[in-house]
Amino acid sequence: GNSVTQMEGPVTLSEEAFLTINCTYTATGYPSLFWYVQYPGEGLQLLLKATKADDKGSNKGFEATYRKETTSFHLEKGSVQVSDSAVYFCALSGGGTSYGKLTFGQGTILTVHP
Amino acid sequence: NAGVTQTPKFQVLKTGQSMTLQCAQDMNHEYMSWYRQDPGMGLRLIHYSVGAGITDQGEVPNGYNVSRSTTEDFPLRLLSAAPSQTSVYFCASKQTGGAETQYFGPGTRLLVL
Repeated sequence: GNSVTQMEGPVTLSEEAFLTINCTYTATGYPSLFWYVQYPGEGLQLLLKATKADDKGSNKGFEATYRKETTSFHLEKGSVQVSDSAVYFCALSGGGTSYGKLTFGQGTILTVHP
Repeated sequence: NAGVTQTPKFQVLKTGQSMTLQCAQDMNHEYMSWYRQDPGMGLRLIHYSVGAGITDQGEVPNGYNVSRSTTEDFPLRLLSAAPSQTSVYFCASKQTGGAETQYFGPGTRLLVL
């Protein structure tokens, strides 16, 4: 079945540091890949997505590239801010019998200090 | 648009009690789903629906029932609550299509004693 593995957290950074959160996946066919973010006390909201190999999703300074050869979708940001402190989830949506269903990684807690 | 709304925000139950978690969306989305969020486990799919009158099981359906009588509403029922159902529950909706963005509600925090 489908699965998503995220790097172990939590991650603690100083403001303006570079961020990478690793995400790898296992899926049949050609899944769509997503990063969702959850701010404290809120639900999840889409941060970015990519629907085919070599696509790059980007939003709010965050980027991730769909790498089919390494089955990865790593999240990066060049300069984090305190307001980026949140939980980040990598997820995939497969085709076939898993149509529309999201499979999530375990989440990575990011804390950014001034 | 209100988006996806959930009630209640927080609930405490005793073991064996029943309750219904409400979910509604005003975006005319066909696809709706329920997830539970537990520490270190991400979100896991409980039940989903691809349209009114159609529901199916997700990864962790035991102990939960759903129905979909309208496009807008997708309630989740716990028939006999157990401590293992202590969790945060999220409802989500989206347009049909595998790559479409899912929109999540604010969540219901449930504590079963």
